[in-house]
Amino acid sequence: EDQVTQSPEALRLQEGESSSLNCSYTVSGLRGLFWYRQDPGKGPEFLFTLYSAGEEKEKERLKATLTKKESFLHITAPKPEDSATYLCAVQAVFHAGKSTFGDGTTLTVKP
Amino acid sequence: EAGVTQSPTHLIKTRGQQATLRCSPISGHTSVYWYQQALGLGLQFLLWYDEGEERNRGNFPPRFSGRQFPNYSSELNVNALELEDSALYLCASSLVYEQYFGPGTRLTVT
Repeated sequence: EDQVTQSPEALRLQEGESSSLNCSYTVSGLRGLFWYRQDPGKGPEFLFTLYSAGEEKEKERLKATLTKKESFLHITAPKPEDSATYLCAVQAVFHAGKSTFGDGTTLTVKP
Repeated sequence: EAGVTQSPTHLIKTRGQQATLRCSPISGHTSVYWYQQALGLGLQFLLWYDEGEERNRGNFPPRFSGRQFPNYSSELNVNALELEDSALYLCASSLVYEQYFGPGTRLTVT
């Protein structure tokens, strides 16, 4: 069964203090790993797709990386508006259409 | 470009009743997915529809069902509502692999 574990559950940073979020996964044949941002009471907002180990994607202060067992979401010089829950999800080649989500990391950035 | 839309925003039902939730995908997307996000829990996969057919189903009882219409919009029906069905129901659409989510329908069962 596909599994996704995210750590830490919660992360509090000062504005400008860089850090990383971890997503460990177990899947039989990775089709893709996805990162989303979710604000309270809203639907997840798509950020990145990573397909193979060694791949990296960047968007503003966010950078996602992928290995064969885990993915990291690096946040450089975060701002208060980066506060949200960040979700990681995987799709397996043999479980078409189904994304398995982790429980998320709730990031709070204090000014 | 308009995103995924869902209606209603909020829905309050009594235990034993039926609920119908609606979703319109992004224009050009043929796949629609439904997820349940209960308070304090992660997103749980419910159903995947593509080209009008149910393609995959999560570990939910048969009282959770749905359909996809010729215009690719979708409906999720929940019969015989139970208190634990209270959750945020999210719809997503995709063209290939990335799933784009709507704002969700908050279902409260009393």
